Amino acid sequence: KAGVTQTPRYLIKTRGQQVTLSCSPISGHRSVSWYQQTPGQGLQFLFEYFSETQRNKGNFPGRFSGRQFSNSRSEMNVSTLELGDSALYLCASSPNGGSGNTIYFGEGSWLTVV
Amino acid sequence: AQKITQTQPGMFVQEKEAVTLDCTYDTSDPSYGLFWYKQPSSGEMIFLIYQGSYDQQNATEGRYSLNFQKARKSANLVISASQLGDSAMYFCAMREDFSGSARQLTFGSGTQLTVLP
Repeated sequence: KAGVTQTPRYLIKTRGQQVTLSCSPISGHRSVSWYQQTPGQGLQFLFEYFSETQRNKGNFPGRFSGRQFSNSRSEMNVSTLELGDSALYLCASSPNGGSGNTIYFGEGSWLTVV
Repeated sequence: AQKITQTQPGMFVQEKEAVTLDCTYDTSDPSYGLFWYKQPSSGEMIFLIYQGSYDQQNATEGRYSLNFQKARKSANLVISASQLGDSAMYFCAMREDFSGSARQLTFGSGTQLTVLP
């Protein structure tokens, strides 16, 4: 059974550019969540999608957005990149995002903003 | 107040010995779940073990067990017979089922475990 797949694995962007990260959840999982991990702030929740609808959003500026497609794949976009956006972005997959013990993460996308 | 507290920034353990990683949590939600993840330097967050707030018994998964003390709001991870490959960052996380932060995980700051040969 394939795990959570995130692409790209590594990327370098320049300040002011935008970036799109992709996440394919485990087959049959309909909930996708995104997290940002930085040395200073640790792991912070960005947003959660279920059946193409954003159900929950963390405390991030509007430059951070996302979407989910009908096949449950999700993308997140960061516009007008800032140096502080340099982070590991992790995607988590679960059947329905609610109660339960099955929350699995991908390998993450390492974003460096220069 | 911090929702998840991991008080050990770093821990060392000798190979083949057992180690306990501490985690305390704070919630008023009657239903919640507690997770432990391992993160090697590659970045992937690897699921280790889960404990539900209503589970009567402590969770176990192979060499991992969770020492769940609900009244004390602690959920310590015990790794038995440590291996060199266990060297990694370990995160405790909580999901609250009825609060405004439902459907998301709140993470602790992590414990860097180093297994010595």
